[in-house]
Amino acid sequence: KAGVTQTPRYLIKTRGQQVTLSCSPISGHRSVSWYQQTPGQGLQFLFEYFSETQRNKGNFPGRFSGRQFSNSRSEMNVSTLELGDSALYLCASTNEANTGELFFGEGSRLTVL
Amino acid sequence: KQEVTQIPAALSVPEGENLVLNCSFTDSAIYNLQWFRQDPGKGLTSLLLIQSSQREQTSGRLNASLDKSSGRSTLYIAASQPGDSATYLCAVRGDLLTGGGNKLTFGTGTQLKVEL
Repeated sequence: KAGVTQTPRYLIKTRGQQVTLSCSPISGHRSVSWYQQTPGQGLQFLFEYFSETQRNKGNFPGRFSGRQFSNSRSEMNVSTLELGDSALYLCASTNEANTGELFFGEGSRLTVL
Repeated sequence: KQEVTQIPAALSVPEGENLVLNCSFTDSAIYNLQWFRQDPGKGLTSLLLIQSSQREQTSGRLNASLDKSSGRSTLYIAASQPGDSATYLCAVRGDLLTGGGNKLTFGTGTQLKVEL
């Protein structure tokens, strides 16, 4: 059974650009959530999607957005990149009908120059 | 606002030692608590999940306990090995009635090094 897949794994952007990250959840999981991990702030919740609807949102500026498709795959977008957006972006999926355990992907490492 | 604290921040032990990692949280209205392991530059690997109604969970050499009323959880690692070296994170999920959804609040982690 395939795990959570995130693409791309690594990317480098410059300030002002935008970036789109993709997440394919475990088959059958309908909930996808996104987290940002930095050395200074640790792991912080960005948002969660369930059945194509944003169900929860963390305290991030509007430059951070996401969406979920009918097949549960999710994308997050960061516009007008800033140096401080450099981070590991992690996606997690869960099957709420089961234990509610979250499973994470390997992450997308974003570097903003 | 839920806050999660992990002590110690770093730990170095000789191989074979039994050890305990601590996690505390400020709001006892949780749905579950999950322990993760993270290797450098990698994603998070789920180790154990404890539902709010449970007291402990075991998997191999790992045992996690939960005392919801006091806001504490411990992860016990028996007979530690060099391969256990990683950062260990605990995370709590809020009560569904308070709109926690699948949002996890993470601690800052304990960086463990097991030496030969």
